[in-house]
Amino acid sequence: DIVMTQSPDSLAVSLGERATINCKSSQSVLYSSNNKNSLTWYQQKPGQPPKVLIYWASTRESGVPDRFTGSGSGTDFTLTISSLQAEDVAVYYCQQYYTTPLTFGQGTRLEIK
Amino acid sequence: EVQLVESGGGLVQPGGSLRVSCAASGFTFSAYYMHWVRQTPGKGLVWVSRINSDGSNPVYADFVKGRFTISRDNAKNTLYLQMNSLKVEDTAVYYCVCYGLGSPAWGQGALVSVSS
Repeated sequence: DIVMTQSPDSLAVSLGERATINCKSSQSVLYSSNNKNSLTWYQQKPGQPPKVLIYWASTRESGVPDRFTGSGSGTDFTLTISSLQAEDVAVYYCQQYYTTPLTFGQGTRLEIK
Repeated sequence: EVQLVESGGGLVQPGGSLRVSCAASGFTFSAYYMHWVRQTPGKGLVWVSRINSDGSNPVYADFVKGRFTISRDNAKNTLYLQMNSLKVEDTAVYYCVCYGLGSPAWGQGALVSVSS
């Protein structure tokens, strides 16, 4: 199984500051057929299903503010929130959909400092 | 608009059975693999099962193998998860998910509670 490891487990950032969450996979999730990384970032708030922020590692979902950016390739990925807003308080997950079993990171809890 | 709507959740006793369904709309359901993912209370997300577009080759997580059965009815645009021999630790919100559309599409989830 591909193990997804996020860091840090929790993060407190001041409003307007940058937040960075890392995700490392135990093996590459790069599809050679389309040269895309099968990596998604989700945001989850209490009582809600996960919301897709980024897919294919760096493609922003329609309607997601451009302060959210996904980057990385192969085994190392990053979600960056360029200027933290109050509504960004949530738990963030990365997930690989390269192969079954699909696997998720353990989650990173983002709070306001 | 792509929509996935789960139903059939509820309270069941340990050892009991339950079937959750997922009604799909807004895309060609029969063309895509479908998955079930669950989230236990206060915990993370865990993949449960996958089925091919034509209903063949189901794949399961080890912790549900032999107890859960995934299936689909492409004529009804519906995905199913039959859950037997339920355990307390199966208590979770169950989501149906489609990954083949570019951006993953998730339902709102169905809560399954296993308790005596």
